[in-house]
Amino acid sequence: DIVMTQSPDSLAVSLGERATINCKSSQSLLYSSNNKDYLAWYQQKPGRPPKLLIYWASTRESGVPDRFSGSGSVTDFTLTISSLQAEDVAVYYCQQYYRSPLTFGGGTKVEIK
Amino acid sequence: EVQLLESGGGLVQPGGSLKLSCAASGFTFSSYTMHWVRQAPGQGLEWVSGITGSGGTIYYRDSMKGHFTISRDNSKNTLYLQMNSLRVEDTAIYYCARDPGELYHLDYWGQGTPVTVSS
Repeated sequence: DIVMTQSPDSLAVSLGERATINCKSSQSLLYSSNNKDYLAWYQQKPGRPPKLLIYWASTRESGVPDRFSGSGSVTDFTLTISSLQAEDVAVYYCQQYYRSPLTFGGGTKVEIK
Repeated sequence: EVQLLESGGGLVQPGGSLKLSCAASGFTFSSYTMHWVRQAPGQGLEWVSGITGSGGTIYYRDSMKGHFTISRDNSKNTLYLQMNSLRVEDTAIYYCARDPGELYHLDYWGQGTPVTVSS
């Protein structure tokens, strides 16, 4: 199985400041035939299901605010919240879909400092 | 509007069985791969199983083969998960989710149905 490792486990950021979450995969997620990284990011608020934010490592889902951005390739990926808002308090997960089984990172909890 | 509504969860004793359902609406159900993902209390997300739109290809996490069975009825726009020989560690919220490809990201999720395995 492809292991997804997120860091940090949690972070506290002041309102309006930048939050950065890292995700590392145990194998390359870059599919050479289409040059796409098979990596997604989700946001989960308490008591709610996960919500898709980013797919193909950097494509923002429709309706997701542009303060959320994804970057990286191959095995190292980053989710950045450029200016943290109160409603961004949540747990964030990365997920690989390069091969079955689909696997998720352990999650990063984002709080307000 | 895409909607996914899970049902069938509840309290069951170890060794028991449950069948979860996920009723889909707002999209052409038969055109989409669907998945089950679970989340144990206070824990992260764990993919369980997926099934292509026609039902012709099924994927399972290895540890769940022979333990869980995924199926779908496209005439009823419904996804199922038959869970047998349930164990305490199967306690979780079970989500169904839509996949815009085949083993891609998951673009819509249901609210989840809780399953508690306890004596």
